[in-house]
Amino acid sequence: QKEVEQNSGPLSVPEGAIASLNCTYSDRGSQSFFWYRQYSGKSPELIMFIYSNGDKEDGRFTAQLNKASQYVSLLIRDSQPSDSATYLCAREGGATNKLIFGTGTLLAVQP
Amino acid sequence: EAQVTQNPRYLITVTGKKLTVTCSQNMNHEYMSWYRQDPGLGLRQIYYSMNVEVTDKGDVPEGYKVSRKEKRNFPLILESPSPNQTSLYFCASSPWREVYNEQFFGPGTRLTVL
Repeated sequence: QKEVEQNSGPLSVPEGAIASLNCTYSDRGSQSFFWYRQYSGKSPELIMFIYSNGDKEDGRFTAQLNKASQYVSLLIRDSQPSDSATYLCAREGGATNKLIFGTGTLLAVQP
Repeated sequence: EAQVTQNPRYLITVTGKKLTVTCSQNMNHEYMSWYRQDPGLGLRQIYYSMNVEVTDKGDVPEGYKVSRKEKRNFPLILESPSPNQTSLYFCASSPWREVYNEQFFGPGTRLTVL
């Protein structure tokens, strides 16, 4: 079982819709979780981090964390074609500050 | 501008020819790290450093070396590159806090070993 699992997609949504990206993790001791956006050939760019159970909102983005279910999600409201990218979920790997990444979900927003 | 820089951005080399990829950050971050990204495998950590003169192995350290003589620089050294080290490499840095150490990534170095 991979430490951080994501559906590779592609996830296709129409412009203006809500995109829902999901991530599960296996280590119950995980504390902090991150969502990065990566455009093709570019470096990962941090969108949000979350470390408390519940929802965290930032503009059109909402991160949700459920530690009991070992589940993290990212909602993108009013999706735009410019949101088309690969979204990487990561958890912080304990004392070494290592990020453990999922393989990413490709999101395609159709105009 | 706060940033992480890497050089070169693209490199094509041959098996066995030593190379160094430089990484530098101007944010006074304690923590620096190298990752490689391969299709289907995602980003995997190669080496990391928690501060000057402190380095340790990540998940895939074989065939790589690093050094941290100054806080801002963290070069990645391939003493004898092989084709299986063809990959996209990212350097990252972060401050050191107890919780949620968000990492900032450099632009990446695409390496091809023939």
